[in-house]
Amino acid sequence: ETGVTQTPRHLVMGMTNKKSLKCEQHLGHNAMYWYKQSAKKPLELMFVYSLEERVENNSVPSRFSPECPNSSHLFLHLHTLQPEDSALYLCASSQLRGTEAFFGQGTRLTVV
Amino acid sequence: SQQGEEDPQALSIQEGENATMNCSYKTSINNLQWYRQNSGRGLVHLILIRSNEREKHSGRLRVTLDTSKKSSSLLITASRAADTASYFCATLIRNSSASKIIFGSGTRLSIRP
Repeated sequence: ETGVTQTPRHLVMGMTNKKSLKCEQHLGHNAMYWYKQSAKKPLELMFVYSLEERVENNSVPSRFSPECPNSSHLFLHLHTLQPEDSALYLCASSQLRGTEAFFGQGTRLTVV
Repeated sequence: SQQGEEDPQALSIQEGENATMNCSYKTSINNLQWYRQNSGRGLVHLILIRSNEREKHSGRLRVTLDTSKKSSSLLITASRAADTASYFCATLIRNSSASKIIFGSGTRLSIRP
């Protein structure tokens, strides 16, 4: 375990559903990240939160809505997703001026 | 845009042999890192090399960095079946507001017993 916990581990949702992914870290980190990993594609950085403020949004569709209520928690709210959004969603955290990132185990999302 | 490119995309070797994976990147970096990912799970940090370093060792891992060529290599010596995984290089890009870690496409390493 890396100290970063993601729930749920697996999620199947319909295109009209609304669901949320949760990430929690108690490492004292102050930067948190959402990555998307699709088959045969590199990890895509979706969002970066620094000191609970969103500092990066890499042209992610509005059907993905992140929320960082405090430095230990990060959410990814999902609504009206498409089948091509099926992927492994990875959360990571690091120190703001740090180096390495610590990853959760990911949420395997399937949109049907 | 994608920062790192690993080469090869897939590598299969016999247990006990050495495995070498290469990574190229595009922009200036603060450091370069290598991560490992077992199938469908999170990434685990292996080793970091700073932009002013040329070589670094950690156990059976050896990393080199050539900033003039914007490339790095990861060598795993005396490979074991448990080394089977995907390996990613990642570059740290730091600006005034945050650090971003950008990953390459990865090398899938298979160790044959």
